[in-house]
Amino acid sequence: QKEVEQDPGPLSVPEGAIVSLNCTYSNSAFQYFMWYRQYSRKGPELLMYTYSSGNKEDGRFTAQVDKSSKYISLFIRDSQPSDSATYLCAMRGFKAAGNKLTFGGGTRVLVKP
Amino acid sequence: EAGVTQFPSHSVIEKGQTVTLRCDPISGHDNLYWYRRVMGKEIKFLLHFVKESKQDESGMPNNRFLAERTGGTYSTLKVQPAELEDSGVYFCASSQDTGTSSYEQYFGPGTRLTVT
Repeated sequence: QKEVEQDPGPLSVPEGAIVSLNCTYSNSAFQYFMWYRQYSRKGPELLMYTYSSGNKEDGRFTAQVDKSSKYISLFIRDSQPSDSATYLCAMRGFKAAGNKLTFGGGTRVLVKP
Repeated sequence: EAGVTQFPSHSVIEKGQTVTLRCDPISGHDNLYWYRRVMGKEIKFLLHFVKESKQDESGMPNNRFLAERTGGTYSTLKVQPAELEDSGVYFCASSQDTGTSSYEQYFGPGTRLTVT
């Protein structure tokens, strides 16, 4: 079983809709959670970084963490065609456990005009 | 400020040959990481440098892979001899090490390696 599970999609939504993405994880040592966006043939770009359970908002993006359920989410409001990309969740433990990130497989998102 | 840069962007080599990938981290970032994504799989950690020292190399697949970071600046990842299963995209990332900002890793565009 993978440590981080993420639906590969593709997830197709009309422009202006809310995009809802999520990851589940099995390792309770994970404490820090990131969302990356990756365009085709590009490197992952850091979108959001969260630690605590709860919500964190940045512009059109909202990240949610529920450590008790080992479940994280990313919501994109007012989606645009330029949001079409692969979204990767990543996570890691406390610094003492090392800095390495464990990734989900990514969800491909397509926002149609 | 320049981001993480990687060279080459794409390399095609034959099985048994040697390839060296290079990564230049963001200036001032002491932490440098190598990750790899093989076809159909998730991005996986290979190793982590702090300055010129290997902090964690638990993800290195075998001794055909050699990573160096001379002087704590750029890093190279050599694969010798390359095998078919080494094909994939190799990403480099870097981060600072001041409080929580060490958790934010910034990725380069990757080197796409094809072994034929």
